[in-house]
Amino acid sequence: NAGVTQTPKFQVLKTGQSMTLQCAQDMNHNSMYWYRQDPGMGLRLIYYSASEGTTDKGEVPNGYNVSRLNKREFSLRLESAAPSQTSVYFCASSSSNEQFFGPGTRLTVL
Amino acid sequence: GENVEQHPSTLSVQEGDSAVIKCTYSDSASNYFPWYKQELGKRPQLIIDIRSNVGEKKDQRIAVTLNKTAKHFSLHITETQPEDSAVYFCAATFNDYKLSFGAGTTVTVRA
Repeated sequence: NAGVTQTPKFQVLKTGQSMTLQCAQDMNHNSMYWYRQDPGMGLRLIYYSASEGTTDKGEVPNGYNVSRLNKREFSLRLESAAPSQTSVYFCASSSSNEQFFGPGTRLTVL
Repeated sequence: GENVEQHPSTLSVQEGDSAVIKCTYSDSASNYFPWYKQELGKRPQLIIDIRSNVGEKKDQRIAVTLNKTAKHFSLHITETQPEDSAVYFCAATFNDYKLSFGAGTTVTVRA
């Protein structure tokens, strides 16, 4: 039982490049989330998926897209990376209120 | 959406003393208030939570209190130990299961 897994752990991009962050959970949770964490700003919700086939914008969705591929997997895509997207990205899942987090992806955009 | 404010941003305590972190929220419909602990380079992990129908909850050395009228909740850590050094985040629900997080408190326990 791995919980929530994320790939990659680290990534460096050049401005304008695209990439997809992968997230998977094996806890049979309905809801999945993508957050970004920046110093002094806590965790901010980028996108949210209440169930397979549905997605919704969070607090900071600009510059990102998501896909809920199936119940297990929820990916985050940066179409044209910008330096402002340098951050640590966390995926999380929940079946009710408690959210379980993945190990994070540290992304640097040069 | 929900706005959660957390204070202080940093807290330094002597080992064995207590630590208190306070949060306020804006949405009176919020009904779930978790606290997460994040060690350096690690993922946030839930340490305690409280629901709006409860005023206080305790788990060994940690406790959380909730004042719904004033819309604030607090985390109390007693008999602090070096392993309590971490960043602590409060959060509150909005729009079903979405969470809005505070900015975090860096706690340092001095030996």
